[in-house]
Amino acid sequence: AQSVTQLDSQVPVFEEAPVELRCNYSSSVSVYLFWYVQYPNQGLQLLLKYLSGSTLVKGINGFEAEFNKSQTSFHLRKPSVHISDTAEYFCAVSDSTGGFKTIFGAGTRLFVKA
Amino acid sequence: KAGVTQTPRYLIKTRGQQVTLSCSPISGHRSVSWYQQTPGQGLQFLFEYFSETQRNKGNFPGRFSGRQFSNSRSEMNVSTLELGDSALYLCASRLQTRDYGYTFGSGTRLTVV
Repeated sequence: AQSVTQLDSQVPVFEEAPVELRCNYSSSVSVYLFWYVQYPNQGLQLLLKYLSGSTLVKGINGFEAEFNKSQTSFHLRKPSVHISDTAEYFCAVSDSTGGFKTIFGAGTRLFVKA
Repeated sequence: KAGVTQTPRYLIKTRGQQVTLSCSPISGHRSVSWYQQTPGQGLQFLFEYFSETQRNKGNFPGRFSGRQFSNSRSEMNVSTLELGDSALYLCASRLQTRDYGYTFGSGTRLTVV
C-alpha cells in the first residue's frame, strides 16, 4: 500500500526567503504525486502534480517540485515566499494498487514571517 | 464554472444522532470522494463513488456510509454519532477515478456534543 511522509510539521521562514517542504512516499508501483495547499477554513487546492515525464514540475503561485524516484521523494520549493503563502501544505500519492485513491501526508504548516 | 459545493458549512449534533452531508461536484465530474480531516489524524479517506457505484472504501466503521445520485451529487451519512466524529468533512470531485487531481469543496464542519 502507498504511504506519504512529510518530514516537517512546521516550517517558519522569513518573507522573500526560499523554502523547501519535504515529502517522501512509499509505493511498489508507478505513482502519481501531488501537492495541495489549504488556507484556514477552506478546502484543499491543487498546487501541482507529477504524472510522468519531466521530473521537475511547475505549479501555481511560483511553486515547483522535483520527483526523485531513487530517493522516493517529491519536495516542494519556492525561491521567494510571501506572507500570503502562509498555509498548510499536503503531499499526496495515488497509484493503481489503491484503486487510484489519493493518500495524503500529515501536512506541513508553512509560516512566513515579515 | 461553479466549484464543488458542500452543504451545510457548519453543523452541531448530539451524540447518538445521525447526520447527512451533501456534496455537488463540478459539472461533468463523475467521481466524488469524501475525506475526514481532524487535527490528530489528518486527512483520512472515507470512500469514492463513480457513476453511482462505490469504487473505493477507507477504514471507517459501517456507521459511515454514502451514496451517489444519477446527477453525480453525493451524500454521506453518519449514524449513531460519537464525540470522535467531530471533524471537517471534505468532498472532492474529479472527472473520472483515474483522473489526476481533485477539486475540493470548502467542507462541512461537524461538531458532536
